[in-house]
Amino acid sequence: EVQLVESGGGLILPGGSLRLSCAASGFTFSGYWMHWVRQAPGKGLEWVARINSEGTSTTYADAVKGRFSISRDNAKNTLHLQMNSLRVEDTAAYYCATNILDYGIFDSWGQGTQVTVSP
Amino acid sequence: SYVLTQPPSVSVAPGQTATITCGGNNIGGKSVQWYQQRAGQAPLLVMYNDNARPSGSPVRFSGSNSGNTATLTITRVEAGDEADYYCQVWDTTSDLYVFGTGTKVTVL
Repeated sequence: EVQLVESGGGLILPGGSLRLSCAASGFTFSGYWMHWVRQAPGKGLEWVARINSEGTSTTYADAVKGRFSISRDNAKNTLHLQMNSLRVEDTAAYYCATNILDYGIFDSWGQGTQVTVSP
Repeated sequence: SYVLTQPPSVSVAPGQTATITCGGNNIGGKSVQWYQQRAGQAPLLVMYNDNARPSGSPVRFSGSNSGNTATLTITRVEAGDEADYYCQVWDTTSDLYVFGTGTKVTVL
């Protein structure tokens, strides 16, 4: 059974940095692309970033490009999201998700970790 | 950027059929996924590649996609189907992933 467990969220001041982690188990982590998706309070889902299986290629939503960095440690089955220059509008629940079925499909999700950016 | 538009809300009586639409420019040429998100929970994939059900997704759920509209249909609606539903595509032209605006399904 696929399990994804996010951690690292919290309350942070605008301009600050935070590093999220996602511990994966139940599947061959090194074989699949991984993503971060976020959801602001009371709002819809917003894709944030993607990393390929080897960790050599990344893609970002325009809203976070240049501020966020996605990475992975295949030896530790862990996905990360380094978030710098945080803004109030980055406040959201952050989910990690897998692409096991196919590249365009978010087939498994973690339970999410809350990030609150507030003065 | 590619935009997916959903009705904000759909209300349906138990046992009836709920139809949720997802509008996008030539969406029929893309593969569409649907996610169910119950209150306070993470999203759950309920339909992929337009009309394929993942393991565990009830047979009451079906999907279609043509032209500028994709549709998720829930037959014999149950109280447990009450949730927000999001459509999603991978826009390979821009290499970006797009979610619809979301539809809240209320079971009366």
